[in-house]
Amino acid sequence: NAGVMQNPRHLVRRRGQEARLRCSPMKGHSHVYWYRQLPEEGLKFMVYLQKENIIDESGMPKERFSAEFPKEGPSILRIQQVVRGDSAAYFCASSPGEAISYEQYFGPGTRLTVT
Amino acid sequence: DQQVKQNSPSLSVQEGRISILNCDYTNSMFDYFLWYKKYPAEGPTFLISISSIKDKNEDGRFTVFLNKSAKHLSLHIVPSQPGDSAVYFCAASGSSNTGKLIFGQGTTLQVKP
Repeated sequence: NAGVMQNPRHLVRRRGQEARLRCSPMKGHSHVYWYRQLPEEGLKFMVYLQKENIIDESGMPKERFSAEFPKEGPSILRIQQVVRGDSAAYFCASSPGEAISYEQYFGPGTRLTVT
Repeated sequence: DQQVKQNSPSLSVQEGRISILNCDYTNSMFDYFLWYKKYPAEGPTFLISISSIKDKNEDGRFTVFLNKSAKHLSLHIVPSQPGDSAVYFCAASGSSNTGKLIFGQGTTLQVKP
């Protein structure tokens, strides 16, 4: 099963610590999107990356959040100095990048809890 | 501002009957629409999509209808099955949008046996 993989599935951090969330896209996919889902809400776009490039980060908070998708290895979403409001489910999605459709395939998510 | 809206937080139908989930959007630049299904503690699963050049797309028990003039789309599931019970998200995208998806708030569907 070569689906989108995310780890860890659950992450608990104390306020002020750093959180690192990892995403491995589906085989053959070169485009990665990160979304956040707060309780009782829909998914909100955060950032869109291709290998070694950030294409659209219009949904990323201005401070403490960063993302990368290196030439080798998974995409990383990094949250520095976490606060309670960062508690949410973070989903990664990938697409092949073909301009035929916009279908994105999602991973199982990482549930971040900030205590 | 909520560009994609699902005004019904929940829907309950009897097994075997039709489920109709609705979605409205405000941005006329959207040209591709998708429906995702989500179970608790899992990621969204792609169900069906439709391009703005069409008004209907069908895949098995799932049909999506698009009314561009009303900026409205709907997902029909017939016949509904208990396994269809989940949260359904409508999403929209556009060629000027870098492909990012704009999601509605979701509708929780319960199909009763």
